[in-house]
Amino acid sequence: DAGITQSPRHKVTETGTPVTLRCHQTENHRYMYWYRQDPGHGLRLIHYSYGVKDTDKGEVSDGYSVSRSKTEDFLLTLESATSSQTSVYFCAISNAGGAGYTFGSGTRLTVV
Amino acid sequence: QQQVKQSPQSLIVQKGGISIINCAYENTAFDYFPWYQQFPGKGPALLIAIRPDVSEKKEGRFTISFNKSAKQFSLHIMDSQPGDSATYFCAARGLSKAAGNKLTFGGGTRVLVKP
Repeated sequence: DAGITQSPRHKVTETGTPVTLRCHQTENHRYMYWYRQDPGHGLRLIHYSYGVKDTDKGEVSDGYSVSRSKTEDFLLTLESATSSQTSVYFCAISNAGGAGYTFGSGTRLTVV
Repeated sequence: QQQVKQSPQSLIVQKGGISIINCAYENTAFDYFPWYQQFPGKGPALLIAIRPDVSEKKEGRFTISFNKSAKQFSLHIMDSQPGDSATYFCAARGLSKAAGNKLTFGGGTRVLVKP
């Protein structure tokens, strides 16, 4: 996925621990998004950013926080991981025209 | 709260057949309707997209049909090939700037093309 990198690709963590996922882009796109993908639910928006330090909630934001201190990085933090947050997390970027997203390769998170 | 409903959840088609996936939306404040294709272990990738002022768009074997009055749009995969086996997502983009260019996705359709 040219221009967008997610890390880590896989993570197993224990219930109650904080977890941070990183999304890094080299496209200088304004918009960045975090989605989670679960069977039967498609892709659901967690949080998004429309500029440095400008973020807003999506439809499933409870238990998650985000930060964007520079254009290229968008961090997703699970403040206290729960088993219900076991999922595949995708970051996406979009330019100002919003013609479409470019997705990262995803992070598979397992909370045990 | 789902504003974009997608059907079917899964689809099996023979090689050379036509795959049809349908989506319906509930909010008229959408201005762009893309389809994404996702292979296992990969992120979704933009396949084809349409704007509401157009009723049909074709790119190779992939066609989107759009019915604005019915708030429905569909993806047709003609001459389906085993390499088309993937999960497909429809989506809709919020119209207003306040919507932040956000896409709302359907639940996905897993397509399996049998040789």
